[in-house]
Amino acid sequence: QVQLQESSPGLVKPSETLSLTCTVSGYSITSGYYWTWIRQPPGKGLEWIGAIFHSGSTYYNPSLESRVTISVDTSKNKFSLSLSSVTAADTAFYYCAREAGISPFDYWGQGALVTVSS
Amino acid sequence: EIVLTQSPDFQSVTPKEKVTITCRASQSIGNSLHWYQQKPDQSPKLLIKYASQSISGVPSRFSGSGSGTDFTLSINRLEAEDAATYYCHQSSSLPFTFGPGTKVEIK
Repeated sequence: QVQLQESSPGLVKPSETLSLTCTVSGYSITSGYYWTWIRQPPGKGLEWIGAIFHSGSTYYNPSLESRVTISVDTSKNKFSLSLSSVTAADTAFYYCAREAGISPFDYWGQGALVTVSS
Repeated sequence: EIVLTQSPDFQSVTPKEKVTITCRASQSIGNSLHWYQQKPDQSPKLLIKYASQSISGVPSRFSGSGSGTDFTLSINRLEAEDAATYYCHQSSSLPFTFGPGTKVEIK
């Protein structure tokens, strides 16, 4: 059973860097798939942030590309998201998910709420 | 960027009725269109992939159709547990995008 679990700081101050980690269990990241971050402001729709392949190849949403870094730690079967220079507009539920490449997101984490506030 | 629009935004439906949600893409995406169900305080759940392919474990009352730019999600004989927001998602080209969602309420 594939499971994804986000870990989050919960609260981040404006202008600082938001960092989240997704721990994958039941499947080895090195076996394939694209490991993805998606966010959803409370009460709003879904936005694809970007993805990483186990080789380290990354793909980002142009709307966030200048502030986003996604990395992978294959030894710990985890991947991470960093979003710099955050503002209140970055307050959202952040989900990690799995995708096979030009495919649907078949497994999702439960989501982690990150609030940007001083 | 491919823009997805959904209609209606909101639908209030009696149990056992049929629900139809449409998703329109700003350019042709073939069949690279997927549907998700999101209940309150939960993460989205994949319902239909590649426009019409069923997902194991999803009730057969959920079905999808369409290709190119126009797609439909149908829920036959709606049940109370189907109260949720439904999103379409295109994987034809990056950046992946989602529709704005359709909220289905049970009367």
